[in-house]
Amino acid sequence: GAVVSQHPSWVICKSGTSVKIECRSLDFQATTMFWYRQFPKQSLMLMATSNEGSKATYEQGVEKDKFLINHASLTLSTLTVTSAHPEDSSFYICSARIFRVTSGGNGEQYFGPGTRLTVT
Amino acid sequence: SQKIEQNSEALNIQEGKTATLTCNYTNYSPAYLQWYRQDPGRGPVFLLLIRENEKEKRKERLKVTFDTTLKQSLFHITASQPADSATYLCALDITGGGNKLTFGTGTQLKVEL
Repeated sequence: GAVVSQHPSWVICKSGTSVKIECRSLDFQATTMFWYRQFPKQSLMLMATSNEGSKATYEQGVEKDKFLINHASLTLSTLTVTSAHPEDSSFYICSARIFRVTSGGNGEQYFGPGTRLTVT
Repeated sequence: SQKIEQNSEALNIQEGKTATLTCNYTNYSPAYLQWYRQDPGRGPVFLLLIRENEKEKRKERLKVTFDTTLKQSLFHITASQPADSATYLCALDITGGGNKLTFGTGTQLKVEL
């Protein structure tokens, strides 16, 4: 269980265009999903927390107008990179947190396979 | 600021040996710490979570220790196999609310025949 999918797995787009990445929880409901970005040889950097039915919470330094997040249902969150530029080329990964009440809270996160974005 | 340090140098070990990876952190007292595995071009895969009141956690060939005094976690893989070769990441919730994980840069492990 606890499978998270992402689509597409990779995308190449031209500078100035917009790209949408989907993140789905396949066998559980996720009220909260997270979006990360990872550059080569670096760790994952949290971009934003996506909350179902409400606005996303962005980390400091992340432009909310450039990285649009929509969490329309309990199983789907989308990240749209608007007016993409070559410096936006990166590996984007989403995750969902499972909250296990029986274990006292603060569950592990399950990650999608990632989306490789290349902006030319 | 909060720092999470993992050995940036790759760890090469021989098949069958025990691999030990280190995660050190500063300036925070996390309620729990997690370890993930990441293969090239893939998202991280959750391995183990250990809470601040737990000294040790085991899962099959994996063992994690958590020393809140030293602010350190050790991750062990016993009887290592070439299939264990990957990058291993430790992660902390620095907010205390279970909502945000901060990751270390990871240590690349290579298990050789």
